[in-house]
Amino acid sequence: EAGVVQSPRYKIIEKKQPVAFWCNPISGHNTLYWYRQNLGQGPELLIRYENEEAVDDSQLPKDRFSAERLKGVDSTLKIQPAELGDSAVYLCASSDNDRTYEQYFGPGTRLTVT
Amino acid sequence: GENVEQHPSTLSVQEGDSAVIKCTYSDSASNYFPWYKQELGKRPQLIIDIRSNVGEKKDQRIAVTLNKTAKHFSLHITETQPEDSAVYFCAASIGFQKLVFGTGTRLLVSP
Repeated sequence: EAGVVQSPRYKIIEKKQPVAFWCNPISGHNTLYWYRQNLGQGPELLIRYENEEAVDDSQLPKDRFSAERLKGVDSTLKIQPAELGDSAVYLCASSDNDRTYEQYFGPGTRLTVT
Repeated sequence: GENVEQHPSTLSVQEGDSAVIKCTYSDSASNYFPWYKQELGKRPQLIIDIRSNVGEKKDQRIAVTLNKTAKHFSLHITETQPEDSAVYFCAASIGFQKLVFGTGTRLLVSP
């Protein structure tokens, strides 16, 4: 099966600019996650979707971050405006909780804010 | 909330040696403990996991042990090979889906 797809793979922007990341989960996976991974750290959950509903967004900085998962498939994570501290790798993952709880990660988007 | 501590941060071994990575968690309600391997520039991939109703699980050269009383779990890799070199992350979760990751262990296996 095809894995989790993310784009772009790399993005360099100036601070205060907006940026968006896109994720296409594994077909049939009802749960989608967005993580942020800072250099030398483990991934940190930003938001979790069950189908099209955001069931856990407690760690999403809502003043500048937003996310959506229209039709319960693809998802977009947006930052507006970006700050220097937002430089990180943004990982998308998906899981099929009817069969297993394993989370399958995408390759990530490396964001650099200058 | 849950907090996961992982050590050591780096581990260097000779090929064929064993490697042990240890994690502790804070929330006694956590019931799912996966381990992920992340090679340089690549995505994290699950290598083994354990649930709180099991004390030990083994898959070929990899094993994980869980001590619920002490709230710690460990990854054991035997007969290490150069291709085992990567960053390993432990995680803990209440209810399987809200993973809290450790800070990672960089394992280097020298030929």
